[in-house]
Amino acid sequence: QKEVEQNSGPLSVPEGAIASLNCTYSDRGSQSFFWYRQYSGKSPELIMFIYSNGDKEDGRFTAQLNKASQYVSLLIRDSQPSDSATYLCAVKSSGTYKYIFGTGTRLKVLA
Amino acid sequence: GAVVSQHPSRVICKSGTSVKIECRSLDFQATTMFWYRQFPKQSLMLMATSNEGSKATYEQGVEKDKFLINHASLTLSTLTVTSAHPEDSSFYICSAYDSVQETQYFGPGTRLLVL
Repeated sequence: QKEVEQNSGPLSVPEGAIASLNCTYSDRGSQSFFWYRQYSGKSPELIMFIYSNGDKEDGRFTAQLNKASQYVSLLIRDSQPSDSATYLCAVKSSGTYKYIFGTGTRLKVLA
Repeated sequence: GAVVSQHPSRVICKSGTSVKIECRSLDFQATTMFWYRQFPKQSLMLMATSNEGSKATYEQGVEKDKFLINHASLTLSTLTVTSAHPEDSSFYICSAYDSVQETQYFGPGTRLLVL
């Protein structure tokens, strides 16, 4: 069974610090990787996607992918209290539009 | 990012009634949409994949006769919860797959409360 695993947290970081969120996946055929942010009571919103090994930066966010280790991470620089949310990792395999979601990591940024 | 709407945002109904939820992709065409359910403090659970012009594909354990899905056009999918019961109370979220961006975009969700 294809799985995506995340530490449920909460991960607490002080304001201004770097938050590091991690995700591992079991399906080596996975091709696309996504990070969504979900505030309490709201639906998920897309933060970033990454397809190739290495780093991809967008503002304060950096996604990192290592297909050999089956590992994807999200770094949030200069964390703000408004970044406090649950972060969902999602993985898409080839030949399907379905995503496999992790259970999410709850991030708390302390002011 | 692409915009997906859902209607209604919140609905309260009596046990035994049916509730229809609409999901629309506003600025792109979506041949594939997904319906998820999320209980409080739990993760997203995929219920079914909605395909324009064909039958929906349901995940294991999801009753297709209870959760009717219709994907009548490239921008609209509907989920009907038939004969709703209190245990169906949940947060229902749709997503639409943008094949150009190769990404799912989520609607804002519908909170259903069955009394």
